[in-house]
Amino acid sequence: NAGVTQTPKFRILKIGQSMTLQCTQDMNHNYMYWYRQDPGMGLKLIYYSVGAGITDKGEVPNGYNVSRSTTEDFPLRLELAAPSQTSVYFCASSYSNGPGSEGYTFGSGTRLTVV
Amino acid sequence: RKEVEQDPGPFNVPEGATVAFNCTYSNSASQSFFWYRQDCRKEPKLLMSVYSSGNEDGRFTAQLNRASQYISLLIRDSKLSDSATYLCVVNIMDSNYQLIWGAGTKLIIKP
Repeated sequence: NAGVTQTPKFRILKIGQSMTLQCTQDMNHNYMYWYRQDPGMGLKLIYYSVGAGITDKGEVPNGYNVSRSTTEDFPLRLELAAPSQTSVYFCASSYSNGPGSEGYTFGSGTRLTVV
Repeated sequence: RKEVEQDPGPFNVPEGATVAFNCTYSNSASQSFFWYRQDCRKEPKLLMSVYSSGNEDGRFTAQLNRASQYISLLIRDSKLSDSATYLCVVNIMDSNYQLIWGAGTKLIIKP
């Protein structure tokens, strides 16, 4: 199984540009999440989804948008990129509501730099 | 006060030694607790869940102290491959955000 696949792995954006971070999982997980990780900080939840067609804001949603048209895919859209969005972005999925004992499965991350 | 606090380290430990570090949490409504491991420039991976009675997985032992609101991780007979950042994670059942992540404790095992 591929698990959670994120693309791209690296990207440099100019201020004001837009891009979509792709995330797909093949484990039939209902729950999917987008996190950002800044140096010296814990992961912060941007958006999450409890199933196809359902999304909700996390702790730091400003400047981002998501959609969940299928169980497998959960893309994250950055509109009008700003330097404050320079970070490492992780997509994750889980089977149940709450991590349970199996935890979250993470993608390998996207390192984004906005200049 | 941060919701989940960890000593950032680094903890520099000789191979074969025992090392322990704690994580404190501020919300008494916290229900579930986890330790994740994150290697440099990699994604976090679940190391172990932390149960009320404590639990052990090989060289790793996790404990929960609800009265003092902290969890601990003990690593015995440390290996070079244990070098990583250990993330403490707390699940608050009355939060829609599911998990609150600590910033991590960096562990360096030296030969």
